[in-house]
Amino acid sequence: EAGVTQFPSHSVIEKGQTVTLRCDPISGHDNLYWYRRVMGKEIKFLLHFVKESKQDESGMPNNRFLAERTGGTYSTLKVQPAELEDSGVYFCASGQQGGAGANVLTFGAGSRLTVL
Amino acid sequence: AQSVAQPEDQVNVAEGNPLTVKCTYSVSGNPYLFWYVQYPNRGLQFLLKYITGDNLVKGSYGFEAEFNKSQTSFHLKKPSALVSDSALYFCAVRTGGFKTIFGAGTRLFVKA
Repeated sequence: EAGVTQFPSHSVIEKGQTVTLRCDPISGHDNLYWYRRVMGKEIKFLLHFVKESKQDESGMPNNRFLAERTGGTYSTLKVQPAELEDSGVYFCASGQQGGAGANVLTFGAGSRLTVL
Repeated sequence: AQSVAQPEDQVNVAEGNPLTVKCTYSVSGNPYLFWYVQYPNRGLQFLLKYITGDNLVKGSYGFEAEFNKSQTSFHLKKPSALVSDSALYFCAVRTGGFKTIFGAGTRLFVKA
């Protein structure tokens, strides 16, 4: 089966610009998560979708970040306007709602964002 | 507050020797515990998990981990390290809801 796909793999933008990251989860996975890792630090939770609904967005840093999940399929994470501290690797992960694979996350390769 | 601590930034071990990557956690309730591994330019891959039952759990690539409730630890171990085990290892915990919390990661370097 296809894994979790993220695009772009690397984005370099200037402060004040907008970037949109996309995540295509594994087909049939209702749970979709966004995480961020800043250099050398822990992987921080941003938000969690169940299908198209935001289940938990307590990790979103501020209102410059907007996540959507159209029709419960792919998800986008938009940063507008980007600031220097937004630089990092943004990971998307998906997971099953139940069954043997429940609780286990499947990650994409990440989108590295560099804000200059 | 819930947290996961990986006290070592890097662990160095010679090939063939046993390895241990440490993890402690602080959560309320009964935790679900996980180890993930990240190879260069790849996403995190699931290694093993503890949900309930036997405190010693076995996972992929010969890795195992021991849940110690009194010490709130979940150390990752392997009896004999391989050079190909060199990677970044993340400990994670999940409680109650669906949020999984990760540690900062430990880089394992296995020397031939």
